[in-house]
Amino acid sequence: KAGVTQTPRYLIKTRGQQVTLSCSPISGHRSVSWYQQTPGQGLQFLFEYFSETQRNKGNFPGRFSGRQFSNSRSEMNVSTLELGDSALYLCASSYPGGSYNEQFFGPGTRLTVL
Amino acid sequence: SQQGEEDPQALSIQEGENATMNCSYKTSINNLQWYRQNSGRGLVHLILIRSNEREKHSGRLRVTLDTSKKSSSLLITASRAADTASYFCATGSILTGGGNKLTFGTGTQLKVEL
Repeated sequence: KAGVTQTPRYLIKTRGQQVTLSCSPISGHRSVSWYQQTPGQGLQFLFEYFSETQRNKGNFPGRFSGRQFSNSRSEMNVSTLELGDSALYLCASSYPGGSYNEQFFGPGTRLTVL
Repeated sequence: SQQGEEDPQALSIQEGENATMNCSYKTSINNLQWYRQNSGRGLVHLILIRSNEREKHSGRLRVTLDTSKKSSSLLITASRAADTASYFCATGSILTGGGNKLTFGTGTQLKVEL
């Protein structure tokens, strides 16, 4: 099975712009979670989608949003970018229902905000 | 916010030695997982231990969990240069969110030298 893929891998934006990141989970996985990783804050949970519904949300401002499509692919959007949004954005998918399952991570999208 | 603190922050050992990393967390958990991350890339799941388990093995990995002390340890035996990476503990807890939300620790950077 192909692993979790994320596009693009690298992105450079300027303050005030918006960005959309994409994640394709492992085939058959219905849960997709997003994490932000920075040197200062570490790995922070953004949100999780399961069967096209947001199941959980972290403590991020409303500028961070996401969605999931019927094929389980997910996108996250960040509007009005700030310098502090520079980070590695990781997507993870999981197969079974239930909670706290093993997560399969993609390689990440490195976002730089200038 | 991060649930777990890991210790040490950095660890340097010689190939063939054992490496032990510790993780402490704050709330009651459903399970605890360990992940490895190579140089700013995606995370790889290593092992999951449930709250009613005390010890688990997988190959050269041994994980212990002490829920009374809210702590876990990861032991890598006979380490290899390829084990050089950052290691994170992650907890799943209904108290910090359901679904597949994981709360990550701060991580231990392991360097295995030849």
